[in-house]
Amino acid sequence: GAVVSQHPSRVICKSGTSVKIECRSLDFQATTMFWYRQFPKQSLMLMATSNEGSKATYEQGVEKDKFLINHASLTLSTLTVTSAHPEDSSFYICSARSPGQGNWGYRGTGELFFGEGSRLTVL
Amino acid sequence: AQKVTQAQTEISVVEKEDVTLDCVYETRDTTYYLFWYKQPPSGELVFLIRRNSFDEQNEISGRYSWNFQKSTSSFNFTITASQVVDSAVYFCALSHRQGAQKLVFGQGTRLTINP
Repeated sequence: GAVVSQHPSRVICKSGTSVKIECRSLDFQATTMFWYRQFPKQSLMLMATSNEGSKATYEQGVEKDKFLINHASLTLSTLTVTSAHPEDSSFYICSARSPGQGNWGYRGTGELFFGEGSRLTVL
Repeated sequence: AQKVTQAQTEISVVEKEDVTLDCVYETRDTTYYLFWYKQPPSGELVFLIRRNSFDEQNEISGRYSWNFQKSTSSFNFTITASQVVDSAVYFCALSHRQGAQKLVFGQGTRLTINP
């Protein structure tokens, strides 16, 4: 089964409202999670790195006041899109790694766990 | 700077044909990882393979095979005897030693297998 879960999988909201997306690691503790954004028929772009107990690190060009990230526990990171607008409509995907799995933080198969994604539509 | 290029935007083949998806990467790091992921219409990313920069052995897993060539900075993916269920978008990705879980993705190749 899935080891990283996102909720909600789909959300539709009105322009100007805020939307929160959750990313949970189900069977391991994730000190670091990553948030990606994918526009329709485009690639995934890293938005930010979420660090448990500290501030997130944002990639260049990503508005940190627009995309609030909170990583309050070792199993949960949240992404809040504040005052959402239609151009924020996108597919948001999180990924997580489990600590202490040998070199580089990967499992033996080299798998990096991704959530199922959350599709945001802003009307 | 790191960059991954998947020059083939879309590929369409008939079932049972073999198909190769190209991936070319750029990095200044001597130690790095390369990945392939499958994204079906449902949206989730399905891990296919990870390869580190020190391991140039080709790998075969069932109908899937990967050809890693450091000399040409390529990591190509071949599906043999393709099936309709292989239809998806395939992404090649790169990460480096520091911050190994931060991935740089290619643009993706949309593969359609027609019956």
